[in-house]
Amino acid sequence: DQQVKQNSPSLSVQEGRISILNCDYTNSMFDYFLWYKKYPAEGPTFLISISSIKDKNEDGRFTVFLNKSAKHLSLHIVPSQPGDSAVYFCAANGATNKLIFGTGTLLAVQP
Amino acid sequence: KAGVTQTPRYLIKTRGQQVTLSCSPISGHRSVSWYQQTPGQGLQFLFEYFSETQRNKGNFPGRFSGRQFSNSRSEMNVSTLELGDSALYLCASRGRTSGTTDTQYFGPGTRLTVL
Repeated sequence: DQQVKQNSPSLSVQEGRISILNCDYTNSMFDYFLWYKKYPAEGPTFLISISSIKDKNEDGRFTVFLNKSAKHLSLHIVPSQPGDSAVYFCAANGATNKLIFGTGTLLAVQP
Repeated sequence: KAGVTQTPRYLIKTRGQQVTLSCSPISGHRSVSWYQQTPGQGLQFLFEYFSETQRNKGNFPGRFSGRQFSNSRSEMNVSTLELGDSALYLCASRGRTSGTTDTQYFGPGTRLTVL
């Protein structure tokens, strides 16, 4: 059972526009959510996180929104840059300390 | 501060062999987690060690095992390798506390190919 889902395997965006990556989860016990970015042949790099007590967290061009009632989070990248092209994973953590990952979304930012 | 390091970076084994992968966490981090990444399954949690004790385990067979040393370095062992064990194995270290909100930082991974 996939507890964290990223339903869009890929997304293509023009440089300078907004990229919106979505993630849904099913376990209401998750209380901490993270986004990672991954290039081929490298480990995931931490981008931004959000606690379940918040509904928004911003860090530069990256903003994460959490809608607990819908069990949905999204990552907004504004403006998108070609260097943002990578696979983006959302992940959720709860009392068990296990980080549960989604299957990833491949973002391609076109110059 | 040095990041998470993993050795070796690449490994080729044949079915039935065993393999040991190594991970050195960020200095001061006490938690080390292991993940398997395959194209179809994404990142799957294997296990987590904290202060030399296994704190959590994922849904993998007993052929997958691990341990953590007093300096927080960790090893993962896979015995009786199968073709399906071919994957990128990632290690992640977490901060100095046992809290759930400490961010995990990943190493570059070990690419294991089983022939």
